[in-house]
Amino acid sequence: QVQLVQSGAEVKKPGASVRVSCKTSGYTFTSHYMNWVRQAPGQGLEWMGIINPGGGDTNYAQKFQGRVTMTRDLSTNTVYLELSSLRSEDTAVYYCARDRGYYTDYGDFDYWGQGTLVTVSS
Amino acid sequence: DIQMTQSPSSLSASVGDRVTITCRASQSIRSYLNWYQQKPGKAPKLLIYAASSLQSGVPSRFTGSGSGTDFTLTISSLQPEDFATYSCQQSFSSPRTFGQGTKLEIK
Repeated sequence: QVQLVQSGAEVKKPGASVRVSCKTSGYTFTSHYMNWVRQAPGQGLEWMGIINPGGGDTNYAQKFQGRVTMTRDLSTNTVYLELSSLRSEDTAVYYCARDRGYYTDYGDFDYWGQGTLVTVSS
Repeated sequence: DIQMTQSPSSLSASVGDRVTITCRASQSIRSYLNWYQQKPGKAPKLLIYAASSLQSGVPSRFTGSGSGTDFTLTISSLQPEDFATYSCQQSFSSPRTFGQGTKLEIK
């Protein structure tokens, strides 16, 4: 069965960086693009970007350009999200979310990780 | 960016009720509209994709309709496990954007 297992909660100071991992299993890693979506406390969902695990190409939301990096490790079937220059407004639960498309980007998300809480506080 | 607006923001209903949630896009997104259900402390779950296609494993009491800018999610007969927050999301263009969510509560 498809599983996306994310790394644990993080507490960071303003200005620091955070890296969240999402380890996948139960399907061919390169066959589905992976998205990152975040949710601030009590707020709606916000799409951050997408990575094609096959080629490593990425597309980031303009809001996060320059601060976000998505990468993947083919040897461990894991994708990573790194967000730099953290500020208090980045406090949120971060989710990896698999694209439903098969070797393409349909833009809807059929499997999600359990979420990783990132708290930014001095 | 395409703005997605849901109404209502919250809704009280009873088990067995029929409920409808509306989502409006700031421009035409054809049928590139998806619906998710989220329970407290849990990740979202895909219910409907492409406006009206039921995701595998989702009960048939959930139906989606609409195209262009106006969409609806209907739950035909509410079950206790349906009380949750529902969000729409457009997949017409990047960046993907979500509505603010509709919280469905027990009356």
